[in-house]
Amino acid sequence: DQQVKQNSPSLSVQEGRISILNCDYTNSMFDYFLWYKKYPAEGPTFLISISSIKDKNEDGRFTVFLNKSAKHLSLHIVPSQPGDSAVYFCAASAHGANSKLTFGKGITLSVRP
Amino acid sequence: DGGITQSPKYLFRKEGQNVTLSCEQNLNHDAMYWYRQDPGQGLRLIYYSQIVNDFQKGDIAEGYSVSREKKESFPLTVTSAQKNPTAFYLCASSITGVSGANVLTFGAGSRLTVL
Repeated sequence: DQQVKQNSPSLSVQEGRISILNCDYTNSMFDYFLWYKKYPAEGPTFLISISSIKDKNEDGRFTVFLNKSAKHLSLHIVPSQPGDSAVYFCAASAHGANSKLTFGKGITLSVRP
Repeated sequence: DGGITQSPKYLFRKEGQNVTLSCEQNLNHDAMYWYRQDPGQGLRLIYYSQIVNDFQKGDIAEGYSVSREKKESFPLTVTSAQKNPTAFYLCASSITGVSGANVLTFGAGSRLTVL
């Protein structure tokens, strides 16, 4: 049973335009959501997170939006740059000592020059 | 520089052999994790440890074993019982006991290929 879903496996956008990466979840106990970026043959690196008590968090070119009622979040990258081309993972955790992360399958973003 | 070191980066194994992947961190993090990445499968949790001498099974623990004798080290053994061991293995660590999101720091990964 997949609790974190990234239904679109890939996305291609033009440099300078906005990239919107979507993520859905099913577990109502999740209260923190994170986005990671991963290049081939490397470990993922943390990008941005959001608490379930917020609906938006912004860090430079990256903004995450959370719609708790729809159990949906999205990562916006604007403007997109060729260096943003990577796999993006959505992850979620429930509060408590056992706060392990559950990851989605990832979305491959390609930013065309 | 603080970080997580995984070794070896590439490893080849014959069927029926056990192999141990090393993971060392100097971040003074309490918790450590092992994930496996397969194409189209995302990251799946194998084992995790919140404290020394204690660890819990993740979602796909069958065919794997771990130990946590030191805070800095969390080696993963892929046993011959693991049916499909060829994958990219990622070790991670995080601080515990703080509020906020549980941000994991990952190593660079180890690619295991079974011949």
